[in-house]
Amino acid sequence: GAVVSQHPSWVICKSGTSVKIECRSLDFQATTMFWYRQFPKQSLMLMATSNEGSKATYEQGVEKDKFLINHASLTLSTLTVTSAHPEDSSFYICSARDPSGSFSYNEQFFGPGTRLTVL
Amino acid sequence: AQTVTQSQPEMSVQEAETVTLSCTYDTSESNYYLFWYKQPPSRQMILVIRQEAYKQQNATENRFSVNFQKAAKSFSLKISDSQLGDTAMYFCAAIQGAQKLVFGQGTRLTINP
Repeated sequence: GAVVSQHPSWVICKSGTSVKIECRSLDFQATTMFWYRQFPKQSLMLMATSNEGSKATYEQGVEKDKFLINHASLTLSTLTVTSAHPEDSSFYICSARDPSGSFSYNEQFFGPGTRLTVL
Repeated sequence: AQTVTQSQPEMSVQEAETVTLSCTYDTSESNYYLFWYKQPPSRQMILVIRQEAYKQQNATENRFSVNFQKAAKSFSLKISDSQLGDTAMYFCAAIQGAQKLVFGQGTRLTINP
């Protein structure tokens, strides 16, 4: 199957600083990527849909100025948590949609996730 | 809008036993896909099995099989001969067309030695 990477896997930062998380599709071109947030023992919550070359679409309740998403190429999307605070501490997961798949729904492949801890 | 519901927050079975995880969903579409994902302690999401709604035959992948009841909007996962490595969170999910994946709340499965 297709591979999606995330970097970094774990980041600790001080309150008030910004943190950038990268999501890359390694062996396919992804016109669409998704960013999820997962709290401990909970399900994945979709934050936004990232489309290459256009603005991201944010889910209701997600602050677009807090969580900046850039999808500048067909293999890279970035999530920047601006002015991070302890309540932003969470596990962030990206997925990338492979448009070349054999299924009509365009299968999504998940990255390994990034653990963000804000002190 | 699609919704996916998993009513079993936690389950625990002995190694080698068979376990069934429940999932119900709601959709107004006639064509959609259903999935079971596994999230082990590493937290990497792993696709376990998929089911296309227009296919009546239940999907199987080695020890994993589903019981897809379209009229009842039910999609349960059966794990046969459970192994210690099956210990994980399991998420039921649904998607229609090119839209977003919708996840259930998850079931924490523990396989005991």
